[in-house]
Amino acid sequence: QLQLRESGPGLVKPSQTLSLTCAVSGASISSGDFSWSWIRQPPGKGLEYIGYIYQAGSTYYNPSLKSRVTISGDTSKNQFSLDLTSVTAADTAVYYCARAQGGILDFDSWGQGILVTVSS
Amino acid sequence: QSVMTQPPSTSGTPGQRVTISCSGSRSNIERNTVNWYQQLPGTAPKLLIHNNDQRPSGVPDRFSASKSDTSASLAISELQSEDEADYYCAAWDDSVKGPVFGGGTKLTVL
Repeated sequence: QLQLRESGPGLVKPSQTLSLTCAVSGASISSGDFSWSWIRQPPGKGLEYIGYIYQAGSTYYNPSLKSRVTISGDTSKNQFSLDLTSVTAADTAVYYCARAQGGILDFDSWGQGILVTVSS
Repeated sequence: QSVMTQPPSTSGTPGQRVTISCSGSRSNIERNTVNWYQQLPGTAPKLLIHNNDQRPSGVPDRFSASKSDTSASLAISELQSEDEADYYCAAWDDSVKGPVFGGGTKLTVL
């Protein structure tokens, strides 16, 4: 059974880098059948797409965040990670990792989400 | 502000049929496929509809969707209390060159 689990610090100081990891079990991040994405949701607000990694190497980033985002994969641990630099309070959100099968927005499995607060 | 507009809220009574609209533009809804997500309180979103009108396995046929020109809609028939959730439309936007979500609609079952 596929499981995704986000991990990382729940509190990050302004101007620092937010780093999260999504551990995947039940499927390989190297598989060409899926892409692996990050999506976030500020408290009480809607969803925002961050980007994806495909076959543990190719990446796509939302143009609005591209200058600050890096998504990488670790096939030995079957996990992928998100780095978001120069964070501000506006980056406070629940961050989800998700698998897409088929289209880029066909998220068929999600992690439970992790709340990251940006505050000094 | 989202490039695809949804009503912030809607409501219905058990057994009723409700629809949720998603208004976009040529660069998103008209040119690309639309997905719908259901987010129950305190949980991650769940794929409800993909490729405009296709239900993934396990999604009840009470949920249906359609698209016409620059608008899409989600219909829920035989409304149940468990349908109370936030609903989001999503599509690729050729102008933004990225995926976009609607602002979400909160469905209350009275």
